[in-house]
Amino acid sequence: QVHLVESGGGVVQPGTSLRLSCGASGFTFSSYVMHWVRQAPGKRLEWVAVILYDGSNVDYIDSVRGRFSISRDNSKNTLFLQMNSLREDDTAVYYCARELGLIDYWGQGTPVTVSS
Amino acid sequence: EIVLTQSPDFQSVTPKEKVTITCRASQSIGNGLHWYQQKADQSPKLLIKYASQSFSGVPSRFSGSGSGTDFTLTINSLEAEDAATYYCHQSSSLPFTFGGGTKVEIK
Repeated sequence: QVHLVESGGGVVQPGTSLRLSCGASGFTFSSYVMHWVRQAPGKRLEWVAVILYDGSNVDYIDSVRGRFSISRDNSKNTLFLQMNSLREDDTAVYYCARELGLIDYWGQGTPVTVSS
Repeated sequence: EIVLTQSPDFQSVTPKEKVTITCRASQSIGNGLHWYQQKADQSPKLLIKYASQSFSGVPSRFSGSGSGTDFTLTINSLEAEDAATYYCHQSSSLPFTFGGGTKVEIK
């Protein structure tokens, strides 16, 4: 059974950093492209970042490029999102999700609130 | 960026009624369109992949159709447990994008 569990969210001030983690189980983690998707309160889902199977290639939505960094540790079946220079409009629930041509499974999400 | 426009934004429906939700893409995406159900305080769940293929374990009352720029999600004979927000999503090209969502309320 596919299981994705995010952690690391919290309440932080603007300009600070946060590192999210996503533990994967129930599937061969290294065989899947992985994504972070976020959802601000009352808003639509917004794709944030993607990382290929071995971490060799990554991409980001323009609004986080240069501030966020996605990475993975296939030996520990874990996905990461390093978020720096956080802004109030980064406030959202952050989901990790796996992809094999399409996003098929999502974690339960971890909330991030950026507020002064 | 491919923009997905969903309609309607909200629908209030009685049980056993049929629900139709549409999603229009700003450019052709072939069949790279998928539908998700998100219940309150839960993560999205995949219902329909590649426009018309049912995902494993999804009830047969959910179906999808369309290709290119125009897509439809149909819920036949709505049940109370179907109260949720439904999103379309394209994986044709990065950045992946999502529709604005359609909230389905049970009368």
